[in-house]
Amino acid sequence: KAGVTQTPRYLIKTRGQQVTLSCSPISGHRSVSWYQQTPGQGLQFLFEYFSETQRNKGNFPGRFSGRQFSNSRSEMNVSTLELGDSALYLCASSLGGEKAAEAFFGQGTRLTVV
Amino acid sequence: GDSVTQMEGPVTLSEEAFLTINCTYTATGYPSLFWYVQYPGEGLQLLLKATKADDKGSNKGFEATYRKETTSFHLEKGSVQVSDSAVYFCALTDSNYQLIWGAGTKLIIKP
Repeated sequence: KAGVTQTPRYLIKTRGQQVTLSCSPISGHRSVSWYQQTPGQGLQFLFEYFSETQRNKGNFPGRFSGRQFSNSRSEMNVSTLELGDSALYLCASSLGGEKAAEAFFGQGTRLTVV
Repeated sequence: GDSVTQMEGPVTLSEEAFLTINCTYTATGYPSLFWYVQYPGEGLQLLLKATKADDKGSNKGFEATYRKETTSFHLEKGSVQVSDSAVYFCALTDSNYQLIWGAGTKLIIKP
């Protein structure tokens, strides 16, 4: 069974630009969560989608947004990029509910803002 | 709110040494507890879990016991290998089944 696929793997953007990252979850998984991982702040939760609805949101500014499609694929968008947005962005899929914590992670998208 | 505290890394050990990575938590209610591992260049993988007090999770030679009295979930392995070098994350689920993460502990195993 295919794992969680994130594209692209690497991205370099300029300050002020916007970026869209994509995540394809494991087949049958309806929950997709996004995380930002940086050396200084560790793993920080961005948001979770379940059946196209955002169920939980972390403490990030409105420049960070996401959506989920009917096939459970998810995208996250960051507008007006700042240098501090440079990070590894991880997507995790799960069955949701009580199984939400048994998450399967993608390899991540490494975003560098210059 | 709920939180997880892990020992700071990096932890550096020689091959075949005994490993302990400490994890303590603060939570209302009765969370489930997890250890995830992140190998270099990869995403996180669930290593083991425990859902109630005194449960022991185990996988790949790693073990952790849910200790409610000390609010701890320490990760142990009897004999580490170079291939165990990775970052280890302790986590719990809150009342919304959302994962609350520790800061991660980098483990370096030298041959």
